[in-house]
Amino acid sequence: GAGVSQSPSNKVTEKGKDVELRCDPISGHTALYWYRQSLGQGLEFLIYFQGNSAPDKSGLPSDRFSAERTGGSVSTLTIQRTQQEDSAVYLCASSLFVAGGRGELFFGEGSRLTVL
Amino acid sequence: AQSVAQPEDQVNVAEGNPLTVKCTYSVSGNPYLFWYVQYPNRGLQFLLKYITGDNLVKGSYGFEAEFNKSQTSFHLKKPSALVSDSALYFCAVRDSSNDYKLSFGAGTTVTVRA
Repeated sequence: GAGVSQSPSNKVTEKGKDVELRCDPISGHTALYWYRQSLGQGLEFLIYFQGNSAPDKSGLPSDRFSAERTGGSVSTLTIQRTQQEDSAVYLCASSLFVAGGRGELFFGEGSRLTVL
Repeated sequence: AQSVAQPEDQVNVAEGNPLTVKCTYSVSGNPYLFWYVQYPNRGLQFLLKYITGDNLVKGSYGFEAEFNKSQTSFHLKKPSALVSDSALYFCAVRDSSNDYKLSFGAGTTVTVRA
């Protein structure tokens, strides 16, 4: 597609349930990011994928969070045993890998997660 | 380490007046600086970036930003604001020593009144 696609756009779940959030990046973009946006706060880096390299998972807040990227394209962010503090908008972004970090990110519209 | 600060949570201006959204940064190497805008219930849209060269950068929708190394600032400006510019604006920085991690400020809500 023309842009970064995320699904679902909204997810309401009960505390303790697992959720999966999907991101389909722009075709040809080898770099993929997940960020979390909480109300009144900036964007919190979660994880970064680049090609076949090992992902940078340094931003994942706990071991309940995991992400994978299959075939260098679609990515899934999984949150196990959800807690109320996980409620946020989860944003996916992709970019061309430009050596030296000069490329901008292209964001999807986000998946809004509400944990009751 | 890299970080960015947006000292104002909110900026309110009248339509037709100049708009400035402030941003300061901290990096150990050279900064790559970005501005994004987020409209309600939408993702972030790229506005402009500074990598190197001319300190005044022009971007989308009539916005521009000035890189000031001595003041470690990258303020976003628009000479004449429109009601449609009302949105949440994010400044972001990447240290030249890393290839990918972008750090964002907390955001500034801009309201342009008619």
